[in-house]
Amino acid sequence: QVTLRESGPALVKPTQTLTLTCTFSGFSLNTGGSCVTWIRQPPGKALEWLGRVDGDDDIYYSPSLKTRLTISKDTSRNQVVLTMTDMDPADTATYYCARMIDGKDWFDPWGQGTLVTVSS
Amino acid sequence: QSVLTQPASVSGSPGQSITISCTGTSNDVGYNNYVSWYQQHPGKVPKLIIYDVTYRPSGISDRFSGSKSGNTASLTISGLQAEDEADYYCSSYTTTPSWVFGGGTKVTVL
Repeated sequence: QVTLRESGPALVKPTQTLTLTCTFSGFSLNTGGSCVTWIRQPPGKALEWLGRVDGDDDIYYSPSLKTRLTISKDTSRNQVVLTMTDMDPADTATYYCARMIDGKDWFDPWGQGTLVTVSS
Repeated sequence: QSVLTQPASVSGSPGQSITISCTGTSNDVGYNNYVSWYQQHPGKVPKLIIYDVTYRPSGISDRFSGSKSGNTASLTISGLQAEDEADYYCSSYTTTPSWVFGGGTKVTVL
């Protein structure tokens, strides 16, 4: 069974750097072409794709956020880390990680999500 | 502003069929058959219901169907039921490469 779970701070201050961890099980980034992607959703608003990492160290970022995002992986711990710099109240959102398969273009399954609030 | 355009809301009576459109460009929806759809009930995690334009994952009702013409993809819900009341999002691969979502459509069962 494939599962993913996001963890990190619930509250960050403006200008700070956010670090979120996606811990997954049921698949490996080293085999089977699995990838992990990050998606966020501000309260009451639409989903927004942030970025993706695969087992070959290929990393893709949202063009509108790429200067602020870094995605890394620790395959031995089955974790993917998202770092977002210079946080702003507009970045308040539920952040999800989800599995993708290389060559396939859908997100399934998703983690439960973690709400991050940016406020002083 | 989302890259893919969806109607903000669609409604229908139980048993009716409704269709949600998702309009993009030749660099995303029109590029290839890489459109997926997600259902999200309030306070819940999005759930994949259609992938590669027309395919349903195991366990998804055949009342959900997808199609595409040019730069516009569509999700049709047949035999509308109360449990279908939710937000629906389309997503597409883009030639950047990246992935994008639509702005979401709220489906109301009257």
